[in-house]
Amino acid sequence: AQTVTQSQPEMSVQEAETVTLSCTYDTSENNYYLFWYKQPPSRQMILVIRQEAYKQQNATENRFSVNFQKAAKSFSLKISDSQLGDTAMYFCAFMKLLGSNQFYFGTGTSLTVIP
Amino acid sequence: DAGVTQSPTHLIKTRGQHVTLRCSPISGHKSVSWYQQVLGQGPQFIFQYYEKEERGRGNFPDRFSARQFPNYSSELNVNALLLGDSALYLCASVGADYEQYFGPGTRLTVT
Repeated sequence: AQTVTQSQPEMSVQEAETVTLSCTYDTSENNYYLFWYKQPPSRQMILVIRQEAYKQQNATENRFSVNFQKAAKSFSLKISDSQLGDTAMYFCAFMKLLGSNQFYFGTGTSLTVIP
Repeated sequence: DAGVTQSPTHLIKTRGQHVTLRCSPISGHKSVSWYQQVLGQGPQFIFQYYEKEERGRGNFPDRFSARQFPNYSSELNVNALLLGDSALYLCASVGADYEQYFGPGTRLTVT
C-alpha cells in the first residue's frame, strides 16, 4: 500500500518570502509520479507541479519548485516570492504507473500568506 | 475549452436515501476518477473509469457505485446514505499525461 504523509498541518509565511512544505511517502513501487495540488478556499483543486520518479532533475514551475529525494522518499515544495493568492490548502499526491493510476493524497498543509 | 463540470453543487439528503452525482470531463478525456474528501482530510479514491470500464476501486462499501457513459460523462451513486457519507465529492478528468484535473465538487450533507 502507498501512504503519503504531510507533517505540517498549518504554516504561514510573510508576503514575498520563501516557504517550504514537506511531504514524505512510502511505496515499494519504482515507477510513479508525484504531484502537488493547491485547494484555495473556493475549493477547486489546481495542479501546481508534478515530478516523474525516473527524472533526477527537480521540477520547477515559475515560483514553485520541488526537492525530490527518491532514496529518502521525500518530495518537498518550495514557494518563492509568496503572494497573497498562494493562501490555500496544499496536498501532496502519489500515483503509481501500474494499475488504476489512482492518486494517494496526504492530509494537506494549510498555508497562509501574511501581508 | 470547458473544464470539468459537476452537478449539483450542493445537496442535502436524509439518512437512508439515495443520491446521484454527475460529472462531465474535459473534452477529449476518456477517463474519470471519483474522490471523497471529508472535511479536514485529503481526498480518498473511490473509483476510476476508462472507456466505460471500471479501472480501479478504492476501499468503499458496495453502497457506492458508478458508471461512465459513451460520451465519457460519469455518475456516482450512493445508496442507503449514512451520516458519515457527508463530504465533498470530487470528480477528476484524467489526461493522457496522467494529470488529473478536478472539478469544483459536490458538497453532500446527510442529515
